[in-house]
Amino acid sequence: EPEVTQTPSHQVTQMGQEVILRCVPISNHLYFYWYRQILGQKVEFLVSFYNNEISEKSEIFDDQFSVERPDGSNFTLKIRSTKLEDSAMYFCASSEVADEQYFGPGTRLTVT
Amino acid sequence: AQSVTQLDSQVPVFEEAPVELRCNYSSSVSVYLFWYVQYPNQGLQLLLKYLSGSTLVKGINGFEAEFNKSQTSFHLRKPSVHISDTAEYFCAVSDRPGNTGKLIFGQGTTLQVKP
Repeated sequence: EPEVTQTPSHQVTQMGQEVILRCVPISNHLYFYWYRQILGQKVEFLVSFYNNEISEKSEIFDDQFSVERPDGSNFTLKIRSTKLEDSAMYFCASSEVADEQYFGPGTRLTVT
Repeated sequence: AQSVTQLDSQVPVFEEAPVELRCNYSSSVSVYLFWYVQYPNQGLQLLLKYLSGSTLVKGINGFEAEFNKSQTSFHLRKPSVHISDTAEYFCAVSDRPGNTGKLIFGQGTTLQVKP
């Protein structure tokens, strides 16, 4: 069964550093998403991406964040200058149509 | 703006007992509704979804949910739980088609199944 994969599973970085979180969505999917879950809190929407552009973003997704689909398979989330409060589990999701999203296992980002 | 409320943060239950996890939503438009499960150290797995049609939706692992428009609820039920059902359960809502499919999640309910 096809699945969404994410790398790395755990990333530790120092405050102010740039990080790139990588995702490989399911191959025939057209919609791509990033969510985050701060420890003990609910899952929050960050951004959706369709047809090579951002279709919607949340208030959390400020200028420090960017997304890219550099080739036909990867979907990346970049945080330009990490803050302590960026520490969270980041989930990538993809869907064929905008009604059923498949989630990856997540990347745990720890900012020290 | 849409929101989702899961009324119980933790639900302890004995094995083979029935369980109901409650979810209420608010939205000014028609919505799609979902339940996801998260096992320890894993991602989110779709349990079931309501898009349209029958208000009783059956999902994987013996779970079902009922969409109640008048009460804006989408409670999840299972008639007999197993130890392996111990996990975090999230209710989520998204706008109807034509939008981006953004999911708004509830706070989650931890189901603890005891032997």
